[in-house]
Amino acid sequence: DAKTTQPPSMDCAEGRAANLPCNHSTISGNEYVYWYRQIHSQGPQYIIHGLKNNETNEMASLIITEDRKSSTLILPHATLRDTAVYYCIVRVGPGVGSARQLTFGSGTQLTVLP
Amino acid sequence: GAVVSQHPSRVICKSGTSVKIECRSLDFQATTMFWYRQFPKQSLMLMATSNEGSKATYEQGVEKDKFLINHASLTLSTLTVTSAHPEDSSFYICSARVVGLAGGREQFFGPGTRLTVL
Repeated sequence: DAKTTQPPSMDCAEGRAANLPCNHSTISGNEYVYWYRQIHSQGPQYIIHGLKNNETNEMASLIITEDRKSSTLILPHATLRDTAVYYCIVRVGPGVGSARQLTFGSGTQLTVLP
Repeated sequence: GAVVSQHPSRVICKSGTSVKIECRSLDFQATTMFWYRQFPKQSLMLMATSNEGSKATYEQGVEKDKFLINHASLTLSTLTVTSAHPEDSSFYICSARVVGLAGGREQFFGPGTRLTVL
């Protein structure tokens, strides 16, 4: 799986958009970008994933650059409950690669400030 | 849907005792379950991968005789920490994988088990 690089920490004001960057310059053509988050002392929670098109769901938006070497997770209106470690993971897509696990990097600690 | 539970959520034990942690997929059958360990202020590290009815595959550096994994059914996997020592104190998290779920989201994580060995 391709390696990812994320800033170790970020702050965001409550109610503002949180933009979390991720670099994955060695991503392969069949690899997806997944985002998970982990609130303190809880299990990781899936947020969103995508291949090359921008994606949006009820939690967030995922913007992937045209060359796919980087992406940005956007939380449009951050709340205090969005304070968590956010993990960007690159791996082969759904159903591919048998029982491939998720490999977690160090992630970005997002702190939403009141 | 797709809920994974873990039991217990928190356990404190004496050094030398064994502790069993259960991971259950509540509303789906999991083809594969993964066990992760997370030390304070660190990321999740994969310990082992287990498939129902077969032996678990352990990551390098993880002692299979110390961390016994049993995956007896498609909804239950157990991790037993044998002869636990203080250095085994950690946050243990399981995840369950289901194939073919609409939307491509395949892995679902449990809430974790905090193990403290005194």
